[in-house]
Amino acid sequence: DTGVSQDPRHKITKRGQNVTFRCDPISEHNRLYWYRQTLGQGPEFLTYFQNEAQLEKSRLLSDRFSAERPKGSFSTLEIQRTEQGDSAMYLCASSLGRGATNEKLFFGSGTQLSVL
Amino acid sequence: AQSVTQPDIHITVSEGASLELRCNYSYGATPYLFWYVQSPGQGLQLLLKYFSGDTLVQGIKGFEAEFKRSQSSFNLRKPSVHWSDAAEYFCAVILYGGSQGNLIFGKGTKLSVKP
Repeated sequence: DTGVSQDPRHKITKRGQNVTFRCDPISEHNRLYWYRQTLGQGPEFLTYFQNEAQLEKSRLLSDRFSAERPKGSFSTLEIQRTEQGDSAMYLCASSLGRGATNEKLFFGSGTQLSVL
Repeated sequence: AQSVTQPDIHITVSEGASLELRCNYSYGATPYLFWYVQSPGQGLQLLLKYFSGDTLVQGIKGFEAEFKRSQSSFNLRKPSVHWSDAAEYFCAVILYGGSQGNLIFGKGTKLSVKP
């Protein structure tokens, strides 16, 4: 496995700008997850995909957040009109979903977003 | 509300000493329980998990954890800590039947190891 890849590693932006992050899961992994981790906290689940279908998005933090996985491979997470409170590490994970007891998540190293 | 509590924000132990990291959960039903480790610049890595059966589970890197239903706890232990174990450790749960990706994490415990 080449691992879960996230790009960019770091992103600095000004408040009000839009940002997009990319996640490339492990090849053939059908499930892909996005998490947010703020300083001093554990990761917080945002959304997930099974293939190209977004099965859970109610935990996205606001309507400024959106995610896509158009071909069931890589995924993008977009934040529109960024706010300083969006500053965090955004983590991606993928798995070959075979049921909760057989699933194993592989996490990427994350994208660190700083909103000035 | 569902929650995971890790009471210790930061723990320092000497290399070679034993380690116990605490985790308590709040759920009505039996959860699935996990411990993850996060090293700087690296992704979260699964150490071990508990679904059912034997309440003492073995994981990677010499770690083990014990599920105690009466105490709603799932503490992580290691008999002899190595300097490379310095990292942040997260306890996490999902509800029975849920996807492993819908993890609810604690706030983490940062482990420092003294030489």
